[in-house]
Parts: sequence; structure tokens; C-alpha cells
Amino acid sequence: SAVISQKPSRDICQRGTSLTIQCQVDSQVTMMFWYRQQPGQSLTLIATANQGSEATYESGFVIDKFPISRPNLTFSTLTVSNMSPEDSSIYLCSVIGQGGQPQHFGDGTRLSIL
Amino acid sequence: DQQVKQNSPSLSVQEGRISILNCDYTNSMFDYFLWYKKYPAEGPTFLISISSIKDKNEDGRFTVFLNKSAKHLSLHIVPSQPGDSAVYFCAATDNAGGTSYGKLTFGQGTILTVHP
Repeated sequence: SAVISQKPSRDICQRGTSLTIQCQVDSQVTMMFWYRQQPGQSLTLIATANQGSEATYESGFVIDKFPISRPNLTFSTLTVSNMSPEDSSIYLCSVIGQGGQPQHFGDGTRLSIL
Repeated sequence: DQQVKQNSPSLSVQEGRISILNCDYTNSMFDYFLWYKKYPAEGPTFLISISSIKDKNEDGRFTVFLNKSAKHLSLHIVPSQPGDSAVYFCAATDNAGGTSYGKLTFGQGTILTVHP
């Protein structure tokens, strides 16, 4: 399965600032996704990162708040903009490889906003 | 609307015994189901999956059962080992419009503790 590296692994940020999370995969992958896990909650899909086009966002998530880039088949970024304490979560990227399911996840970015 | 539910927040089992983790879903369009295991400070790790055309899938100590009429699936771990202690998530998806099962809907997770 693909090896996924996420950076940073954790961060503590000030309210009103923005943070960009990187997801690097060691092989070309068909699909990349960004999820959020709020404290004590399940994982929720934020968006699908499409290579060469705009991301597809799920209900409740908007591009202005969570801009996503996917410049090639091995890399994506998620920016959490104008952060508030409610954005404190674990953010995870996942991929589906060339062979199809299942999705594999990175170790996540633990984000705390003060 | 919680489309995938794991009603047991936690489960405690003795080493060597069977662990049974349960999951219910409401969306009849779901046709592919997965179980993930998650250790602290790590991402979810894929364990086992099942397609809706099957009612059982086995991989070593792990077996997943699917009851479509009841919209229920379960994960059996036998024999349970202390290293199995983790949070277990079930997830479901559908091949909506041929999107290659992209969107996973997760349950809330069950914390499994296996005592030596």
C-alpha cells in the first residue's frame, strides 16, 4: 500500500491565523481525500482533492475556509483558514491507489487553536 | 443524520476470547463496507472489507459478517490479543455515479481493550 506522509504532525495556532497541511504519497494515486476528526467524534470527509481541477467539497465545508490544492498525482495541501477554537481537530489525508479500494490514511495533523 | 452507527463506545475482552464489534447503517445505497483500526497518534489502518454481494469475509483472525436485510455488520476477532487493543471504526460507501467508492462514512468508533 502507498506510504503517506503528512506535515506537520501537530501544531498549536493562534485564532485568526491559517495553516497549510501537506500530504505526500510515495506513488501516484488516483484519488486523494481530506477528513476531519473532531474531539470525540468520527471521521468526516471534507473534500475530494482532484488532480488538475478544483476540489469537490462535502456539505458543510467550503473552499474559502478549506482551500485545497492538488498539483500532481502524489501531493496535496489543505489550508485551514481564519482558524477558531472549533477548528481544533485531527486532519487526515487518505488515498486510493491505482488498484482501487481500500483507502489508506496518513497519521494525521493534530491542530489546536488557542 | 448518523448513517453509520456503532452503538457500543467500548468493549472489554479477555485475551484468547472472541471480540465482536457491531455496526449498523441506515443508507440502503451503501454497498461496500470496511473496518479500520486506529492506535493513538496514528491514522486509521485498514483491516478488512466486504462487498454487499457477500455475507462473510475472512482474513486470518478477522471475520466480517454482513446482514443486508438488517443493515448490520459485525467484526469478529478470534482469538483476541492484547495488541488488538485500539479504536475500531466501521465505514461504508457506495459507488455513486461511478465515483469509485470515494466517500467513506464512518461510525463513531468502539474502543476495544483486550486484557492479558
